[in-house]
Amino acid sequence: QVQLVQSGAEVKKPGASVKVSCKASGYTFTSYDVNWVRQATGQGLEWMGWMNPNTGNIGFAQKFQGRVTITRNTSISTAYMEMSSLRSEDTAVYYCARGFGDYDNYYYMDVWGKGTTVTVSS
Amino acid sequence: SYVLTQPPSVSVAPGKTARITCGGNNIASKSVHWYQQKPGQAPVLVIYYDSDRPSGIPERFSGSNSGNTATLTISRVEAGDEADYYCQVWDSSRDHVIFGGGTKLTVL
Repeated sequence: QVQLVQSGAEVKKPGASVKVSCKASGYTFTSYDVNWVRQATGQGLEWMGWMNPNTGNIGFAQKFQGRVTITRNTSISTAYMEMSSLRSEDTAVYYCARGFGDYDNYYYMDVWGKGTTVTVSS
Repeated sequence: SYVLTQPPSVSVAPGKTARITCGGNNIASKSVHWYQQKPGQAPVLVIYYDSDRPSGIPERFSGSNSGNTATLTISRVEAGDEADYYCQVWDSSRDHVIFGGGTKLTVL
């Protein structure tokens, strides 16, 4: 079945970096975007960015530009999100989600990973 | 930037109809998508293209979009529908995904 399997929980100190992986299965990895969305405890969904695994094109929410990198390895159908200069406010659950749309009138996320908890604490 | 506004909470008795709104400037010109998120779980797409349902989503879930408001309607509400619901659009001017702030649906 179509699924996205994410890497395990991480605990990092402030100023460190974290890299979360998202392995796709059950579909052609390069046919759909991969999005990253995070959610702090008790808060709403916050979209971080997207990547087209076929072209390598990426886009970010402004607040994450310069601090977040999204990459992929198509040979193993895996996308990665790396965030640097971590601070306590980055403590959250990070989700990857499969994206589909025309980049004009519509775009939605139909398959989600289970999430990766990232805790930033000294 | 484009903003989506949702009520923080909606309450409904079992068997009744719940309506969750999502406000945005001329939102009818955009396709609106809705996600359900239960505690401790990942979001699930329940409505896409304003009113289409993915396979496996009950017919009790429906959507509409007109003017400045999109609406997710849940008919014959069940206890299992209690969750947070988020609306989402694509902002083509910035190639960004936009989420509403979310609405907590409480089944009384």
